[in-house]
Amino acid sequence: KNQVEQSPQSLIILEGKNCTLQCNYTVSPFSNLRWYKQDTGRGPVSLTIMTFSENTKSNGRYTATLDADTKQSSLHITASQLSDSASYICVVSNTGFQKLVFGTGTRLLVSP
Amino acid sequence: DTEVTQTPKHLVMGMTNKKSLKCEQHMGHRAMYWYKQKAKKPPELMFVYSYEKLSINESVPSRFSPECPNSSLLNLHLHALQPEDSALYLCASSQYSGSDYNEQFFGPGTRLTVL
Repeated sequence: KNQVEQSPQSLIILEGKNCTLQCNYTVSPFSNLRWYKQDTGRGPVSLTIMTFSENTKSNGRYTATLDADTKQSSLHITASQLSDSASYICVVSNTGFQKLVFGTGTRLLVSP
Repeated sequence: DTEVTQTPKHLVMGMTNKKSLKCEQHMGHRAMYWYKQKAKKPPELMFVYSYEKLSINESVPSRFSPECPNSSLLNLHLHALQPEDSALYLCASSQYSGSDYNEQFFGPGTRLTVL
């Protein structure tokens, strides 16, 4: 069964600190993995997208890694800001398939 | 223009009302999607349109009726909804459907409340 699991479910960190979010997937055949940021009541916004051959990709203070052998990905946030408070969703796509498999997300709260 | 727009932002309707949600993109994308998202849950796919034709219907009840008048517009017609249909409805688009690098761009959503 195609599944995407994320951990932790929720996380509270102090402003300025770093954090790492985890994503494990069992989607096969694998096409690509994306990380989205979703503010409450808003649509998801893409942070990174990685294919099988890519093992790291950065977007500003966000760095995603991908280990296609162990089917794991992480999203590292550096020097967190209050505006980073949101849900972070890991999404995996099958090869040539229209549907995305969504993780349940990690809710991050950055406190002052 | 690199965004997906949705109207209205908020909608409150009774169970006997008929209303429509609208979605628009001007990125030249040929695939458009409707998702339903309940609080603290991931988005659930409802419909996929590819080249203005319905290609996926995820067994959605007939009280939800999608329409794709042209390649830039996607509507979701609502009729006789139930309170449990209250949710955030997200529209998304991608360049093509079914390609390996199929990045979807999401709109801001319509918050629907059914009384």
